[in-house]
Amino acid sequence: NAGVMQNPRHLVRRRGQEARLRCSPMKGHSHVYWYRQLPEEGLKFMVYLQKENIIDESGMPKERFSAEFPKEGPSILRIQQVVRGDSAAYFCASSPAPPSSNTEAFFGQGTRLTVV
Amino acid sequence: DAKTTQPNSMESNEEEPVHLPCNHSTISGTDYIHWYRQLPSQGPEYVIHGLTSNVNNRMASLAIAEDRKSSTLILHRATLRDAAVYYCILRDLSGNTGKLIFGQGTTLQVKP
Repeated sequence: NAGVMQNPRHLVRRRGQEARLRCSPMKGHSHVYWYRQLPEEGLKFMVYLQKENIIDESGMPKERFSAEFPKEGPSILRIQQVVRGDSAAYFCASSPAPPSSNTEAFFGQGTRLTVV
Repeated sequence: DAKTTQPNSMESNEEEPVHLPCNHSTISGTDYIHWYRQLPSQGPEYVIHGLTSNVNNRMASLAIAEDRKSSTLILHRATLRDAAVYYCILRDLSGNTGKLIFGQGTTLQVKP
């Protein structure tokens, strides 16, 4: 059973370009969480999605950032017109449904975005 | 915001036990206590979780105070590969999301 798969592992973008980060949850998991970790900082929650629905996007920046989790295929975190401050590690986690206090979340290895 | 308090850093010698403390004085009756760790350049990794009783698994033990306002993660024999940031988390079910709210964690250094 493969774990949470994120790709690419490393992504370099020039300022103003778009970044698309992909996350395939564990088999049987329909809940996905995205986190951002700035250099030397802790993980910050961004968004929580179920298949075809955004449930909680309270941690998403208001502009340039969007996320989706289509019926088929991976979850996508999209950053438009990237700026240097977007450089960070972006982690995806998945959980079985429904989320509860008594279940663990499984994290991917992350995508390290560098904006030059 | 994180609802737990942990020391910023701790040191241990290899092959010795390590006790990582966590305070969560505002814990509610239904909150489970979760521990994750993050090795350098990797994603967070689940370690253990519990509600009231002490818990053991192949990685660690979790000792929970009787009033549940604090807990301790116990690594029985630290190895160099245990050097990581350890996060104590109360899994947040507000809004029924189950999102994990990470604090700053405890950076564990293991000396050979």
